[in-house]
This record gives sequence, C-alpha cells and structure tokens, in this order.
Amino acid sequence: GQQVMQIPQYQHVQEGEDFTTYCNSSTTLSNIQWYKQRPGGHPVFLIQLVKSGEVKKQKRLTFQFGEAKKNSSLHITATQTTDVGTYFCVYYKLSFGAGTTVTVRA
Amino acid sequence: DTAVSQTPKYLVTQMGNDKSIKCEQNLGHDTMYWYKQDSKKFLKIMFSYNNKELIINETVPNRFSPKSPDKAHLNLHINSLELGDSAVYFCASSQAATGVFLIMNTEAFFGQGTRLTVV
Repeated sequence: GQQVMQIPQYQHVQEGEDFTTYCNSSTTLSNIQWYKQRPGGHPVFLIQLVKSGEVKKQKRLTFQFGEAKKNSSLHITATQTTDVGTYFCVYYKLSFGAGTTVTVRA
Repeated sequence: DTAVSQTPKYLVTQMGNDKSIKCEQNLGHDTMYWYKQDSKKFLKIMFSYNNKELIINETVPNRFSPKSPDKAHLNLHINSLELGDSAVYFCASSQAATGVFLIMNTEAFFGQGTRLTVV
C-alpha cells in the first residue's frame, strides 16, 4: 500500500526563524492535504494540493506539491508562537502522515 | 453551531466494560470517519462510512463496531475495553468527491475528540 514519510517528527524553532516540513511518498499521489492540530485540539484543514508542481500560499505558510506528485512541503516563515502544533500531511483515503510537532522558543 | 460533534468529551472506564461514543455532523456530508490518536499523536483511520455503507475497515479488533443509523451519524461501540484502547478518538466527515472510492479527498471536518481512559 501507499507509504508516506513525514519529516522531521519534531521541529524546535526560534521565534522569527523559518522552517520546512516534508512529506515523501513511495507512489504517486492524486492529491495531498495539510492539517494542523493545536495542542489539545483537533485537526483543522489548511490546504489541498492537486496539480503537479502546485504552490499555494497562506500568509506565512507556503505549500508545495512536487512535480512528480510524490512529495510535498510546508514552509513557514518568521515563525510565531501561534504556529505551535502538529502539522500533518494527508493522502489517499484521508490517511494521515506521522506529523511534525512544532515547538517555538520565544 | 458545531459542525461535527461527538460525545462524550471524556470517558473513564474500567477494563472489560462496553462503551459507546456518538458522533453527529450537520454539514450534509456523505462520508464519516473514526480515527484513533495514540499518545505519540499518530492518527490512525479506523473506519469510514459513505452514505451509511462501510467503505474502510482498517485492521481494528472486532471489539470495535461502528454503527451508522443515517448519514449524519456514525457511532462507535467498543466491547470488552482494554488498557490499550486508551487514546483520543476523533470523528470526522467530508463530502466524497468520487463516491465510494474516494480517490480525490475533500476537506475533512473533525469533532473535538473523545479522550478514552481505560483503568
């Protein structure tokens, strides 16, 4: 079956710095979604990417779908404390990657 | 108005008991899901129903039985609870884009979660 690796598992970021989390698949994905889960909260939809090479931005968040549709990335610039949480990539029948848990040092 | 609501929010029970978690969505979605999130935050899909029909049934013990009386409700019944069942259970719903096969996902809305603790 499809396997998607999400890296890194943990990301400790200084406030104001940038970071990137990646999802890598062994097979081609029809689409990919990203969700964010705040501590103690539930997953909340961020974005969906469908087209090869697609790039979408939401304020400080930039999402990218690889040309081969086998990988995706989420880049956050100028990290803020509100970015704390776990970011999941989601694929196929709403299967979740392992997530990247982000903590921010003020 | 909460889009996806699940009850109870917290559930503490003894080993061997039977318990149910209820989920309701008012979004008019065709598809509903149950997920289990363990202490390492890994979200594992357990079941998915599309228009009251079971379409995903991952490797889950038979003690777990989903029930969908109508497409707005998907309840989870758990028999003979074990310590390892302790987790947060999330219900979710989405509008299926391609019917049963769900090749193209659409945005999923999650409930607040039910924290189940088995003692």
